[in-house]
Amino acid sequence: NAGVTQTPKFQVLKTGQSMTLQCAQDMNHNSMYWYRQDPGMGLRLIYYSASEGTTDKGEVPNGYNVSRLNKREFSLRLESAAPSQTSVYFCASRILAVGALSSYEQYFGPGTRLTVT
Amino acid sequence: SQKIEQNSEALNIQEGKTATLTCNYTNYSPAYLQWYRQDPGRGPVFLLLIRENEKEKRKERLKVTFDTTLKQSLFHITASQPADSATYLCALSGYSTLTFGKGTMLLVSP
Repeated sequence: NAGVTQTPKFQVLKTGQSMTLQCAQDMNHNSMYWYRQDPGMGLRLIYYSASEGTTDKGEVPNGYNVSRLNKREFSLRLESAAPSQTSVYFCASRILAVGALSSYEQYFGPGTRLTVT
Repeated sequence: SQKIEQNSEALNIQEGKTATLTCNYTNYSPAYLQWYRQDPGRGPVFLLLIRENEKEKRKERLKVTFDTTLKQSLFHITASQPADSATYLCALSGYSTLTFGKGTMLLVSP
């Protein structure tokens, strides 16, 4: 099992360019998440998908869109990149099983380091 | 608004000692609290989860306490090793999402 994979690992964009960050998991998890991590700010939730077919905003959704393509894949799109979106982006997933304690644990990908100039 | 506080200053300790990290929170009543480890350039890795009705949880050299009255969790690593050097993140669980603290860096010197 590869776990959670993210592509690309690194990306440099110019202001106004668009791009899509890809995330896939092979653990048959129901829920998937996108976070950004900035120095001094910690991990902040951008969007999440509790189950296939649903998406919800997190703490910092402005400037982003998401697509839950199928159970395995959850993509994050920047339509018009801004320097404030320079960050490390992490995708995560978890099982959603009512009553199962271990279902609250999240599994993270290796991250995408994005620089917007 | 909800707030999670972890020591922003790095914790430096000597190998073999017990490291104790603190997580305080306000305006939140989590059913669960989790601790993650993050190494530089990598994603966080889950370590332990403790429920609101549990006072203490152990896993090998790790111990977590959870005091819902004080709104505080303590994370202990006993017999610390240089390989334990990392940033440790506290996270409060809602049903669908996690809210993370900013993390505390632990440095264990030989």
